[in-house]
Amino acid sequence: AQSVTQLGSHVSVSEGALVLLRCNYSSSVPPYLFWYVQYPNQGLQLLLKYTSAATLVKGINGFEAEFKKSETSFHLTKPSAHMSDAAEYFCAVSDPKNTGKLIFGQGTTLQVKP
Amino acid sequence: KAGVTQTPRYLIKTRGQQVTLSCSPISGHRSVSWYQQTPGQGLQFLFEYFSETQRNKGNFPGRFSGRQFSNSRSEMNVSTLELGDSALYLCASSARGVGEQFFGPGTRLTVL
Repeated sequence: AQSVTQLGSHVSVSEGALVLLRCNYSSSVPPYLFWYVQYPNQGLQLLLKYTSAATLVKGINGFEAEFKKSETSFHLTKPSAHMSDAAEYFCAVSDPKNTGKLIFGQGTTLQVKP
Repeated sequence: KAGVTQTPRYLIKTRGQQVTLSCSPISGHRSVSWYQQTPGQGLQFLFEYFSETQRNKGNFPGRFSGRQFSNSRSEMNVSTLELGDSALYLCASSARGVGEQFFGPGTRLTVL
């Protein structure tokens, strides 16, 4: 069965510092992997996706993630945090054979301090 | 293109009542998935519809049901509401049900 683990339910960084949000997955088949962001009282917005092309994936708002099969990881990074990055971030995995279903991690709340 | 829309945005119901939530997908998308989001359980998959057929189902009781219309719009129904059904219900659409999904703003359901 597929699963996703996000290490750290809360991450706090200073404005301008590196953002690193960790995600590990388990999957018996080559997965599709995603990062979503959720702002208060809103739905989820897709940040980036990995679908077996390049292992380093660039997304919106300066975020990127690297797929490492040997480590079963898909960590999200951003070189310099902005105040507007404060939100909850979800890593998700899908099985191409299990249509319409995303399996989400527990989420990581990113706090950005001025 | 317009995004995924959900109505209503907020609902307050009492135990035992039933509720219907509506979702309009992005134009051209034929797959609609529903999720329940709660602080304790996180984001959980309810079901997916594609071309008016339920293709996939999560581990929820039969009180949770859905349907999809020929224009791809989808509705979700919860009967005999329980306090634990209080949650944010999110709808997501995709072209084929494989790959990325695009989410609506959600319907916040409160059961009193």
